[in-house]
Amino acid sequence: GGIITQTPKFLIGQEGQKLTLKCQQNFNHDTMYWYRQDSGKGLRLIYYSITENDLQKGDLSEGYDASREKKSSFSLTVTSAQKNEMAVFLCASSIRAYEQYFGPGTRLTVL
Amino acid sequence: TQTVSQSDAHVTVFEGDSVELRCNYSYGGSIYLSWYIQHHGHGLQFLLKYYSGNPVVQGVNGFEAEFSKSDSSFHLRKASVHWSDSAVYFCAVSANTGYQNFYFGKGTSLTVIP
Repeated sequence: GGIITQTPKFLIGQEGQKLTLKCQQNFNHDTMYWYRQDSGKGLRLIYYSITENDLQKGDLSEGYDASREKKSSFSLTVTSAQKNEMAVFLCASSIRAYEQYFGPGTRLTVL
Repeated sequence: TQTVSQSDAHVTVFEGDSVELRCNYSYGGSIYLSWYIQHHGHGLQFLLKYYSGNPVVQGVNGFEAEFSKSDSSFHLRKASVHWSDSAVYFCAVSANTGYQNFYFGKGTSLTVIP
């Protein structure tokens, strides 16, 4: 088995601040994902990466950057946090086209 | 445009009842259909998937889902729910081409009253 670790679990920032979320997986999966989960809106794809140093934009990439410097890690940066923004950011990895493994999430609050 | 629709935002049942959580999709190619469960404060966990063959697929903990091409549906069912089945359930569509791009529904929150 394996695990996906997301840090931090809770992230509180100020408006306009640059904030970074980290994700590590030990499944040795090639593909990793970042999703944003808002209440009542399901999951929306921000970025995904099919291998080390690859980045692919999802439907919600504006306002975010991502980095995949190692196969096991995938970072997401909120480039300028928006006031009253509150969401859970979920990291996932996969090796098959139908099955993703998710981390526990990072809950973001912007004051 | 691919869409996944879960018509019920909330479903409440009593322990021991049967339940069906509905999912309809719109996609123009070869796809996987899957269901995920999310317990409060956790990430999503894979339950089951359908790609081809028998339209009724079995998952963990007594869950099953049935694919219908004519209805573009993939509904999740359980014959007798337990209070621990209370969670949010997500239906997902993913393409069988190239690298994976998943589309999730908005989720159905299931509450099981003991």
